[in-house]
Amino acid sequence: AQKITQTQPGMFVQEKEAVTLDCTYDTSDQSYGLFWYKQPSSGEMIFLIYQGSYDEQNATEGRYSLNFQKARKSANLVISASQLGDSAMYFCAMSSFSGGYNKLIFGAGTRLAVHP
Amino acid sequence: NAGVTQTPKFQVLKTGQSMTLQCAQDMNHNSMYWYRQDPGMGLRLIYYSASEGTTDKGEVPNGYNVSRLNKREFSLRLESAAPSQTSVYFCASPGTSGILSWGETQYFGPGTRLLVL
Repeated sequence: AQKITQTQPGMFVQEKEAVTLDCTYDTSDQSYGLFWYKQPSSGEMIFLIYQGSYDEQNATEGRYSLNFQKARKSANLVISASQLGDSAMYFCAMSSFSGGYNKLIFGAGTRLAVHP
Repeated sequence: NAGVTQTPKFQVLKTGQSMTLQCAQDMNHNSMYWYRQDPGMGLRLIYYSASEGTTDKGEVPNGYNVSRLNKREFSLRLESAAPSQTSVYFCASPGTSGILSWGETQYFGPGTRLLVL
């Protein structure tokens, strides 16, 4: 069965330091995508970064990078130089194209707190 | 949020009441989705619509009905609300292409917070 696991319910980091949020996945699909979303206290879901299963290089978007280790089935999010505004819930998700549609499967999330 | 709007933003219902959550996208996309978010469980797919006139069940469809009114609008209806349906509901639409693709991300509306007493 396809599944996303985020083992860290909560994390904290000092402002300006880097932090890694863990994500492991399980799938039998050959082609899939891995995504990270941010959900601030206001509640909206904000797309951060995407990695395709065939992409050889790790994805980067500004201060966000995705550490993709296909053999270990992990897709960790690295936030460099943390800012107070990074405090939020972070969700890892995987796309599954089955049954004729593209579905996103989400992990339970990690709450990140950035301390000054 | 990439042109996905939802109404209402917040609603309180009594058990047994009915209501419809509205979603619209202005990106001319074919597919649209409804998710619910519960604490500690991430988001789960309720229903999806691959194109105008088609709808299919997702992971947790019980207690819900949907209507794809036209290409822009996809509504979610609770016929007889139950406390277990207290949740945050998100409508979503794919990224740039608007077609079914494994590599396509989804952009979400602002969400509807529903409380069923």
